[in-house]
Amino acid sequence: DADVTQTPRNRITKTGKRIMLECSQTKGHDRMYWYRQDPGLGLQLIYYSFDVKDINKGEISDGYSVSRQAQAKFSLSLESAIPNQTALYFCATSAGGGYEQYFGPGTRLTVT
Amino acid sequence: RKEVEQDPGPFNVPEGATVAFNCTYSNSASQSFFWYRQDCRKEPKLLMSVYSSGNEDGRFTAQLNRASQYISLLIRDSKLSDSATYLCVVNNRAGGFKTIFGAGTRLFVKA
Repeated sequence: DADVTQTPRNRITKTGKRIMLECSQTKGHDRMYWYRQDPGLGLQLIYYSFDVKDINKGEISDGYSVSRQAQAKFSLSLESAIPNQTALYFCATSAGGGYEQYFGPGTRLTVT
Repeated sequence: RKEVEQDPGPFNVPEGATVAFNCTYSNSASQSFFWYRQDCRKEPKLLMSVYSSGNEDGRFTAQLNRASQYISLLIRDSKLSDSATYLCVVNNRAGGFKTIFGAGTRLFVKA
């Protein structure tokens, strides 16, 4: 089984809808991250969490919110989806700062 | 100026060729460095860490030049399966912990 899983893998939704992307990990890492990737651009950090009680905004948090339900679960919500949120979304985990990150398989989100 | 910059390529090379990528970073306080590989529409996967003394893993060699603020990745004897996008990753602690991904360099290895 994969160490970092994401659901759904693909989603098409309409403008204005609320959508939640979920991430689970079995690596036992405290740190979890949400990124988006657009064609030709690097990964952009949306939110990150160093433990269940610690949530931090990344560089592009506007329009997104997160919830860290447990050490192993970190979900990303789009409260009111808009077309420019169409992207590939990745969840990642790491054992600590400066350590390598392990990525989930990604969620391809299309907002029409 | 971007904090981490890579030549987007694409690099088109024949099988067996040697190819090198560079990545420059702007923050001199950067502390750890990695190369990741990303296949089309897949998640990034760690290829190798980059140590101050340089390190080698089979056909891959990574080097760090702190004075000039760049890291490099050398691939020898390129294989078709090396075709992918290579992402440079830099971690620094200035203003709080921060990981920055480069936009990636695309490599196509042709038969």
